[in-house]
Amino acid sequence: GQQLNQSPQSMFIQEGEDVSMNCTSSSIFNTWLWYKQDPGEGPVLLIALYKAGELTSNGRLTAQFGITRKDSFLNISASIPSDVGIYFCAGVKETSGSRLTFGEGTQLTVNP
Amino acid sequence: GAVVSQHPSWVICKSGTSVKIECRSLDFQATTMFWYRQFPKQSLMLMATSNEGSKATYEQGVEKDKFLINHASLTLSTLTVTSAHPEDSSFYICSARKLAGAPYEQYFGPGTRLTVT
Repeated sequence: GQQLNQSPQSMFIQEGEDVSMNCTSSSIFNTWLWYKQDPGEGPVLLIALYKAGELTSNGRLTAQFGITRKDSFLNISASIPSDVGIYFCAGVKETSGSRLTFGEGTQLTVNP
Repeated sequence: GAVVSQHPSWVICKSGTSVKIECRSLDFQATTMFWYRQFPKQSLMLMATSNEGSKATYEQGVEKDKFLINHASLTLSTLTVTSAHPEDSSFYICSARKLAGAPYEQYFGPGTRLTVT
Protein backbone atom coordinates (compact mmCIF):
# COMPACT_ATOMS: atom_id res chain seq x y z
CA GLY A 1 0.00 0.00 0.00
CA GLN A 2 0.89 3.67 -0.16
CA GLN A 3 3.47 4.89 2.30
CA LEU A 4 3.65 8.48 1.16
CA ASN A 5 1.17 11.03 2.44
CA GLN A 6 0.67 13.75 -0.14
CA SER A 7 -1.21 16.95 0.56
CA PRO A 8 -3.34 18.67 -0.30
CA GLN A 9 -5.49 16.21 -2.24
CA SER A 10 -6.79 19.01 -4.43
CA MET A 11 -6.25 22.71 -5.00
CA PHE A 12 -8.31 25.33 -6.79
CA ILE A 13 -6.35 28.49 -7.52
CA GLN A 14 -6.42 31.56 -9.71
CA GLU A 15 -4.01 32.00 -12.57
CA GLY A 16 -0.88 33.77 -11.37
CA GLU A 17 -0.97 32.38 -7.86
CA ASP A 18 1.80 30.30 -6.37
CA VAL A 19 1.18 26.69 -5.36
CA SER A 20 2.80 24.46 -2.77
CA MET A 21 2.30 20.76 -2.15
CA ASN A 22 4.21 18.25 -0.10
CA CYS A 23 4.81 14.62 0.65
CA THR A 24 5.68 13.10 3.98
CA SER A 25 6.52 9.64 5.18
CA SER A 26 7.45 7.81 8.32
CA SER A 27 10.19 6.09 6.34
CA ILE A 28 13.45 7.42 4.95
CA PHE A 29 13.79 7.76 1.20
CA ASN A 30 17.05 8.33 -0.65
CA THR A 31 15.47 9.75 -3.80
CA TRP A 32 12.42 11.89 -4.36
CA LEU A 33 10.78 12.43 -7.73
CA TRP A 34 7.94 14.70 -8.76
CA TYR A 35 5.70 13.84 -11.71
CA LYS A 36 2.77 15.49 -13.46
CA GLN A 37 0.00 13.48 -15.06
CA ASP A 38 -2.49 14.86 -17.56
CA PRO A 39 -5.83 13.06 -18.05
CA GLY A 40 -5.46 9.85 -20.02
CA GLU A 41 -1.68 10.14 -20.13
CA GLY A 42 1.28 8.69 -18.29
CA PRO A 43 3.18 10.72 -15.69
CA VAL A 44 5.92 13.04 -16.87
CA LEU A 45 9.02 13.53 -14.74
CA LEU A 46 9.37 17.12 -13.51
CA ILE A 47 12.18 17.09 -10.96
CA ALA A 48 14.46 14.48 -9.38
CA LEU A 49 16.14 14.98 -6.00
CA TYR A 50 19.00 12.86 -4.74
CA LYS A 51 20.47 14.55 -1.66
CA ALA A 52 18.94 15.60 1.64
CA GLY A 53 18.50 19.36 1.63
CA GLU A 54 18.79 19.58 -2.15
CA LEU A 55 16.79 22.38 -3.74
CA THR A 56 16.23 22.05 -7.49
CA SER A 57 14.37 24.21 -9.98
CA ASN A 58 12.88 23.50 -13.36
CA GLY A 59 11.46 26.71 -14.79
CA ARG A 60 8.64 27.85 -12.52
CA LEU A 61 8.88 24.65 -10.49
CA THR A 62 11.04 24.25 -7.39
CA ALA A 63 11.34 21.13 -5.29
CA GLN A 64 13.26 20.34 -2.14
CA PHE A 65 14.45 17.11 -0.53
CA GLY A 66 13.78 17.39 3.20
CA ILE A 67 16.68 17.31 5.62
CA THR A 68 15.19 14.37 7.49
CA ARG A 69 14.84 12.47 4.17
CA LYS A 70 11.23 11.82 5.08
CA ASP A 71 9.63 14.63 3.14
CA SER A 72 9.70 16.72 0.01
CA PHE A 73 7.80 19.69 -1.32
CA LEU A 74 7.02 21.11 -4.74
CA ASN A 75 6.32 24.76 -5.44
CA ILE A 76 4.87 26.18 -8.63
CA SER A 77 5.19 29.90 -9.08
CA ALA A 78 2.94 32.15 -11.15
CA SER A 79 0.59 29.33 -12.16
CA ILE A 80 -0.88 29.19 -15.65
CA PRO A 81 -3.85 27.21 -17.02
CA SER A 82 -1.64 24.48 -18.50
CA ASP A 83 -0.41 23.64 -14.99
CA VAL A 84 -3.71 21.84 -14.50
CA GLY A 85 -3.23 18.16 -13.80
CA ILE A 86 -2.37 15.68 -11.09
CA TYR A 87 0.99 15.99 -9.40
CA PHE A 88 2.53 12.92 -7.82
CA CYS A 89 5.49 12.60 -5.56
CA ALA A 90 7.41 9.35 -5.65
CA GLY A 91 10.17 8.07 -3.44
CA VAL A 92 12.79 5.39 -3.64
CA LYS A 93 14.00 3.61 -0.54
CA GLU A 94 17.55 2.39 -0.20
CA THR A 95 16.24 -1.14 0.31
CA SER A 96 13.70 -1.18 -2.50
CA GLY A 97 15.99 -1.32 -5.49
CA SER A 98 14.58 1.00 -8.11
CA ARG A 99 10.93 0.56 -7.13
CA LEU A 100 8.97 3.77 -6.76
CA THR A 101 6.45 4.41 -4.03
CA PHE A 102 3.88 6.98 -5.13
CA GLY A 103 1.92 9.52 -3.16
CA GLU A 104 -1.84 9.80 -3.61
CA GLY A 105 -1.53 12.79 -5.89
CA THR A 106 -2.59 16.45 -5.79
CA GLN A 107 -5.24 17.52 -8.29
CA LEU A 108 -4.50 21.08 -9.36
CA THR A 109 -7.12 23.28 -11.00
CA VAL A 110 -6.14 26.72 -12.27
CA ASN A 111 -8.90 29.19 -13.02
CA PRO A 112 -8.05 31.71 -15.74
CA GLY B 1 15.38 12.04 -25.04
CA ALA B 2 13.47 9.44 -23.09
CA VAL B 3 10.39 8.44 -25.02
CA VAL B 4 8.33 5.43 -24.07
CA SER B 5 5.44 4.24 -26.18
CA GLN B 6 2.61 1.84 -25.45
CA HIS B 7 0.38 -0.05 -27.81
CA PRO B 8 -2.53 -0.12 -27.97
CA SER B 9 -3.60 3.13 -26.34
CA TRP B 10 -6.97 1.62 -25.59
CA VAL B 11 -8.60 -1.77 -25.99
CA ILE B 12 -12.01 -3.27 -25.36
CA CYS B 13 -12.23 -7.01 -24.97
CA LYS B 14 -14.75 -9.60 -23.92
CA SER B 15 -14.57 -11.37 -20.61
CA GLY B 16 -12.44 -14.49 -20.82
CA THR B 17 -10.18 -13.33 -23.61
CA SER B 18 -6.53 -12.31 -23.36
CA VAL B 19 -5.03 -8.96 -24.18
CA LYS B 20 -1.40 -8.08 -24.89
CA ILE B 21 0.01 -4.63 -24.20
CA GLU B 22 3.40 -3.55 -25.57
CA CYS B 23 5.80 -1.11 -23.99
CA ARG B 24 8.73 0.21 -26.00
CA SER B 25 11.57 2.57 -25.19
CA LEU B 26 12.03 4.43 -28.47
CA ASP B 27 15.28 6.31 -28.05
CA PHE B 28 17.11 4.51 -25.27
CA GLN B 29 17.85 1.07 -23.95
CA ALA B 30 16.09 0.07 -20.77
CA THR B 31 17.57 -2.35 -18.29
CA THR B 32 14.38 -2.43 -16.34
CA MET B 33 10.76 -1.80 -17.16
CA PHE B 34 7.91 -1.52 -14.73
CA TRP B 35 4.20 -2.17 -15.06
CA TYR B 36 1.64 -0.19 -13.10
CA ARG B 37 -2.11 -0.07 -12.96
CA GLN B 38 -4.14 2.96 -12.06
CA PHE B 39 -7.82 3.06 -11.15
CA PRO B 40 -9.81 6.29 -11.61
CA LYS B 41 -8.81 9.06 -9.23
CA GLN B 42 -6.18 6.86 -7.63
CA SER B 43 -2.42 6.69 -7.65
CA LEU B 44 -0.22 4.30 -9.57
CA MET B 45 0.24 0.86 -8.08
CA LEU B 46 3.28 -1.15 -9.10
CA MET B 47 2.37 -4.57 -10.45
CA ALA B 48 5.73 -5.98 -11.47
CA THR B 49 9.33 -5.22 -12.32
CA SER B 50 10.65 -6.60 -15.57
CA ASN B 51 14.33 -7.11 -16.33
CA GLU B 52 15.55 -7.99 -19.79
CA GLY B 53 16.28 -11.68 -20.15
CA SER B 54 14.99 -12.71 -16.74
CA LYS B 55 11.72 -13.45 -15.02
CA ALA B 56 9.63 -10.57 -13.80
CA THR B 57 9.28 -9.81 -10.11
CA TYR B 58 5.68 -9.40 -9.08
CA GLU B 59 4.35 -7.32 -6.23
CA GLN B 60 2.47 -8.99 -3.44
CA GLY B 61 -1.09 -9.76 -4.44
CA VAL B 62 -0.46 -9.66 -8.19
CA GLU B 63 -1.12 -13.00 -9.89
CA LYS B 64 1.83 -13.86 -12.10
CA ASP B 65 -0.19 -16.42 -14.07
CA LYS B 66 -2.82 -13.85 -14.88
CA PHE B 67 -0.48 -10.98 -15.76
CA LEU B 68 2.21 -12.46 -17.96
CA ILE B 69 5.23 -10.28 -18.52
CA ASN B 70 7.90 -10.81 -21.15
CA HIS B 71 10.96 -8.59 -21.52
CA ALA B 72 12.57 -9.94 -24.65
CA SER B 73 14.89 -7.06 -25.45
CA LEU B 74 16.29 -3.86 -24.00
CA THR B 75 13.57 -1.87 -25.75
CA LEU B 76 10.45 -4.02 -25.43
CA SER B 77 8.36 -5.45 -22.63
CA THR B 78 4.90 -6.93 -22.97
CA LEU B 79 2.11 -7.45 -20.48
CA THR B 80 -0.55 -10.04 -21.29
CA VAL B 81 -3.73 -10.01 -19.26
CA THR B 82 -5.02 -13.56 -19.50
CA SER B 83 -8.66 -14.54 -19.12
CA ALA B 84 -9.61 -10.94 -18.54
CA HIS B 85 -12.57 -10.07 -16.33
CA PRO B 86 -14.40 -6.78 -15.83
CA GLU B 87 -12.48 -6.14 -12.61
CA ASP B 88 -9.28 -6.07 -14.70
CA SER B 89 -10.54 -2.95 -16.43
CA SER B 90 -8.04 -0.26 -15.60
CA PHE B 91 -5.38 2.09 -16.95
CA TYR B 92 -2.14 0.17 -17.40
CA ILE B 93 1.05 2.21 -17.55
CA CYS B 94 4.59 1.05 -18.16
CA SER B 95 7.80 2.84 -17.34
CA ALA B 96 11.41 2.30 -18.26
CA ARG B 97 14.73 3.00 -16.63
CA LYS B 98 17.69 3.89 -18.83
CA LEU B 99 20.57 1.47 -19.19
CA ALA B 100 22.96 4.37 -18.65
CA GLY B 101 21.42 7.27 -16.89
CA ALA B 102 20.45 8.86 -13.62
CA PRO B 103 19.52 6.24 -11.07
CA TYR B 104 15.87 5.70 -10.18
CA GLU B 105 14.47 8.01 -12.83
CA GLN B 106 11.65 6.25 -14.63
CA TYR B 107 10.10 7.43 -17.87
CA PHE B 108 6.48 6.54 -18.36
CA GLY B 109 4.51 5.51 -21.39
CA PRO B 110 1.18 7.15 -22.25
CA GLY B 111 -0.82 4.28 -20.79
CA THR B 112 -3.29 1.73 -22.13
CA ARG B 113 -6.94 1.91 -21.20
CA LEU B 114 -8.35 -1.63 -20.89
CA THR B 115 -12.07 -2.18 -20.73
CA VAL B 116 -13.36 -5.71 -20.26
CA THR B 117 -17.02 -6.23 -21.07
